[in-house]
Amino acid sequence: NAGVTQTPKFQVLKTGQSMTLQCAQDMNHNSMYWYRQDPGMGLRLIYYSASEGTTDKGEVPNGYNVSRLNKREFSLRLESAAPSQTSVYFCASSAPTSVPDTQYFGPGTRLTVL
Amino acid sequence: SQQGEEDPQALSIQEGENATMNCSYKTSINNLQWYRQNSGRGLVHLILIRSNEREKHSGRLRVTLDTSKKSSSLLITASRAADTASYFCATDTFRLTFGEGTQLTVNP
Repeated sequence: NAGVTQTPKFQVLKTGQSMTLQCAQDMNHNSMYWYRQDPGMGLRLIYYSASEGTTDKGEVPNGYNVSRLNKREFSLRLESAAPSQTSVYFCASSAPTSVPDTQYFGPGTRLTVL
Repeated sequence: SQQGEEDPQALSIQEGENATMNCSYKTSINNLQWYRQNSGRGLVHLILIRSNEREKHSGRLRVTLDTSKKSSSLLITASRAADTASYFCATDTFRLTFGEGTQLTVNP
């Protein structure tokens, strides 16, 4: 099993450009998450999807949109990138909600917005 | 807002010594989890302790939970250079909320 995969690994954008970060998991998990990690601030939840077909805002959703394409895939879109969105982005997934929410993380996407 | 706060922010020890990291939180929780992050990598789940448990062990890891003080500690015994990483506590209420982490450096 590959676990949680993310593409791309690195990306540099100019202010105002758009891009989509891709995430896929092969563990048959229902729930998927997008976080951003900034120095000294830990992880902050951007959006999550409790199950296929549903998405909800997390702590810092402004400037982002998400799509739960199917059970495996959860993408994060920046419509008009801003320098404040420079960060490391992590996707995670977890098993059905009947068990504690232990999350499995991807390797991250390092995004720089100039 | 961060639910969990780790202390210390950074810790440097010699191989073979024990490392203790602490986590304090604000609201009632269902469980508390600890994760490790090696430099440039994603987080990896280490151990989970439920709100009705006081202590849990996994290999060289020992976690305690004091719900009356809203605090938890992670002890790594006989540390190794490979334990060098950032360690995060995550409190499980409605969703997991991560603290800012403790950067542990184990010197050979």
